[in-house]
Amino acid sequence: GAVVSQHPSWVICKSGTSVKIECRSLDFQATTMFWYRQFPKQSLMLMATSNEGSKATYEQGVEKDKFLINHASLTLSTLTVTSAHPEDSSFYICSAPRGPGNEQYFGPGTRLTVT
Amino acid sequence: DQQVKQNSPSLSVQEGRISILNCDYTNSMFDYFLWYKKYPAEGPTFLISISSIKDKNEDGRFTVFLNKSAKHLSLHIVPSQPGDSAVYFCAASEGGANNLFFGTGTRLTVIP
Repeated sequence: GAVVSQHPSWVICKSGTSVKIECRSLDFQATTMFWYRQFPKQSLMLMATSNEGSKATYEQGVEKDKFLINHASLTLSTLTVTSAHPEDSSFYICSAPRGPGNEQYFGPGTRLTVT
Repeated sequence: DQQVKQNSPSLSVQEGRISILNCDYTNSMFDYFLWYKKYPAEGPTFLISISSIKDKNEDGRFTVFLNKSAKHLSLHIVPSQPGDSAVYFCAASEGGANNLFFGTGTRLTVIP
């Protein structure tokens, strides 16, 4: 069964509003989680690394003030897209590493559409 | 700069035959490689991985081959089944780091 969940699975919001996406590890603790986005027909691109108890690490070109990440607990990370614009419309996916290797387990993703 | 590349955006294979998906990388520091399968509107599902100390790893119908000198890896699926139809991503990581670099994916269609 699923080991990482995301909520919501899809969301439509108006331009200028903020949207929060939750990522939960279901039966394990994750001190680190990762947030990716995927544009149609493109690869998954790492946006940021969410660290429990400390600030997130953002990849080059990702605006940290626009994509707020909070790793509230060992099982929950949230991504808030602030002042969303249509170009933020994308598929956002989180992941958490589990086990001895780097086998990241991905959430089902969240489809964000900004109108 | 795309450090992991999948040059074939799509592949069609007859059911029962072998599917071979290819992946190339440019960063020689990558030491762990993974293949993920993804259905539309879902997150990727881990399939199989290989460490750079190996050149082959097999799990059921799935085998991953790694050629470090060529910076190339491939995923073999045999026999291919219609349920294997999905987008396959290869990914790589460096030095035990958890963040993965993904290829652009190859859409596999297995024709019944």
